[in-house]
Amino acid sequence: EAGVVQSPRYKIIEKKQPVAFWCNPISGHNTLYWYLQNLGQGPELLIRYENEEAVDDSQLPKDRFSAERLKGVDSTLKIQPAELGDSAVYLCASSGSLNTEAFFGQGTRLTVV
Amino acid sequence: GEDVEQSLFLSVREGDSSVINCTYTDSSSTYLYWYKQEPGAGLQLLTYIFSNMDMKQDQRLTVLLNKKDKHLSLRIADTQSGDSAIYFCAGRGGSQGNLIFGKGTKLSVKP
Repeated sequence: EAGVVQSPRYKIIEKKQPVAFWCNPISGHNTLYWYLQNLGQGPELLIRYENEEAVDDSQLPKDRFSAERLKGVDSTLKIQPAELGDSAVYLCASSGSLNTEAFFGQGTRLTVV
Repeated sequence: GEDVEQSLFLSVREGDSSVINCTYTDSSSTYLYWYKQEPGAGLQLLTYIFSNMDMKQDQRLTVLLNKKDKHLSLRIADTQSGDSAIYFCAGRGGSQGNLIFGKGTKLSVKP
């Protein structure tokens, strides 16, 4: 069974440019998370989806970040415009109907220069 | 909200046992997790424990939960070089709650 797939693995952009990350969760998983991991820190939740509904986006900086999960399957996280402080690893995770185990993708490492 | 604390570093010799500790603040945390992260990789779920359990064993891994002290530990028996990684403790308040992570403990295994 394929795990959580994220792309790209690495992205380098100039500040003020837009960037998008893509995540395909494990098949059949209704819950999808986007986490931000700064260097030397634990992951911090940005947004959680139940199917296509964003049930917790309280930590998403909505002035520049947006996310969508239109058909309740794969999801896109966008930053526009990117700032130097956005350099981090962006992790996607998914969990099934019981929501007891969350499985993570490999992450996208973003560098803003 | 939940706050999860871990010591940042642990160094052990190959073949010894490693014990990684974690404390959490939210007494309503229903599930507690241990994840492993190797350099450049995502987080790998190692094991989790329900709050109504005191101990869970899975091969070389033993999880101990002290609900009174809000203390969770992960013991790795016969630690190997491949166990070198960062280990994250995480708590979740119920099936609808979010995973809240500690800052991670970096385990170094010396020959």
